[in-house]
Amino acid sequence: EDQVTQSPEALRLQEGESSSLNCSYTVSGLRGLFWYRQDPGKGPEFLFTLYSAGEEKEKERLKATLTKKESFLHITAPKPEDSATYLCAVRRNQAGTALIFGKGTTLSVSS
Amino acid sequence: DAGITQSPRHKVTETGTPVTLRCHQTENHRYMYWYRQDPGHGLRLIHYSYGVKDTDKGEVSDGYSVSRSKTEDFLLTLESATSSQTSVYFCAIKGGDTYNEQFFGPGTRLTVL
Repeated sequence: EDQVTQSPEALRLQEGESSSLNCSYTVSGLRGLFWYRQDPGKGPEFLFTLYSAGEEKEKERLKATLTKKESFLHITAPKPEDSATYLCAVRRNQAGTALIFGKGTTLSVSS
Repeated sequence: DAGITQSPRHKVTETGTPVTLRCHQTENHRYMYWYRQDPGHGLRLIHYSYGVKDTDKGEVSDGYSVSRSKTEDFLLTLESATSSQTSVYFCAIKGGDTYNEQFFGPGTRLTVL
């Protein structure tokens, strides 16, 4: 069964304290792994797409990496405004192009 | 901003009443999706559309129907709302540089009493 698991469920960091979020997946025929950010009361905001093992994408303090079984979202020197829930999703090689989402990691960064 | 609006943004209704949620997009995207988001679950697909009058079921389609009579509008209907359908509903479109990303609307919070 196709599945996406994110860990930890919640993460508290001090401002400037770097860390990583994990997304492990099992899917038949990966057609992309996606990271989103979601603020309370809002829709998910697209961050990155990764397609193949070894690929990396960066945006400001965020860097996403991909292996054959998992993806990491590295947060370098986070700021309070990075506080949000981060969602991971995969697209499988199947008609409909629907995404399978993990439950998310809620990040809190305090100053 | 993917040009997606959802209406209403909040709704409270009673068990057994019909409810229709609307998703409107302004950029002529072919694919549109309805997801629901509940605590303890990831976003789950309800229905999707791949063109006018072309729709298909997702993972949690029981109790829901959809219609797409125009490219810009995708409607989600709960024929007879139940308390288990209390949720936040998100509409999404497929687009992006590689036409592989999904972009989400602001959501509709539905409460069924």
